[in-house]
Amino acid sequence: QVHLKETGPGLVQPTQTLSITCTVSGFSLTSYYMQWVRQTPGKGLEWMGFIRSGGSTEYNSEFKSRLSISRDTSKNQVFLKMNSLKTEDTGVYYCARDNNYVMDAWGQGASVTVSS
Amino acid sequence: DIMLTQSPATLSVTPGESISLSCRASQSISTNLHWYQQKPNESPRVLIKYASQTISGIPSRFSGSGSGTDFTLNINGVEPEDFSVYYCQQTNNWPYTFGAGTKLELK
Repeated sequence: QVHLKETGPGLVQPTQTLSITCTVSGFSLTSYYMQWVRQTPGKGLEWMGFIRSGGSTEYNSEFKSRLSISRDTSKNQVFLKMNSLKTEDTGVYYCARDNNYVMDAWGQGASVTVSS
Repeated sequence: DIMLTQSPATLSVTPGESISLSCRASQSISTNLHWYQQKPNESPRVLIKYASQTISGIPSRFSGSGSGTDFTLNINGVEPEDFSVYYCQQTNNWPYTFGAGTKLELK
């Protein structure tokens, strides 16, 4: 059974760094790309980036150099880190399994509020 | 970036009606267009991939069509559980982009 779950801090202060972990089960990270998508009140659903099954990454230039995606295959975990947070980064952050460029399984989402 | 324009923004229908939702791309994306449904407080789930390909477990009342810049999601006989928001997404070019969504609501 395929399962994904995001865990994050909930509240982050402006200018600080966001770290979210996506823990997966039921499939191997070495067989699938993993996507990160966020949903904000201001911009709706936004594709953030992905990590390929081989470990290389691609990012939405919207996030410039703020974003980093990595993984630990031994722990079945994918990581999102984004620095220099702003209030408009408030939203829900999802990890999703990429099956031939289709996001066929999603986590429940990690709600993040950026506020002092 | 490729912009996806969904219309209408909101559609009010009664159960049993058959409807069509539109997604228009700012440039040709072949059939690299997928439809997702998002119910309140839930994650999106894929309904249709590559414009018209069905997804295992999705009811047959959902179908998709289109290529290039114009795409349609059809629901043949809306059921009560279908009232939610529908998004299209393109994976033809980076950055992948989503439409703003169409909210299907009960009339």
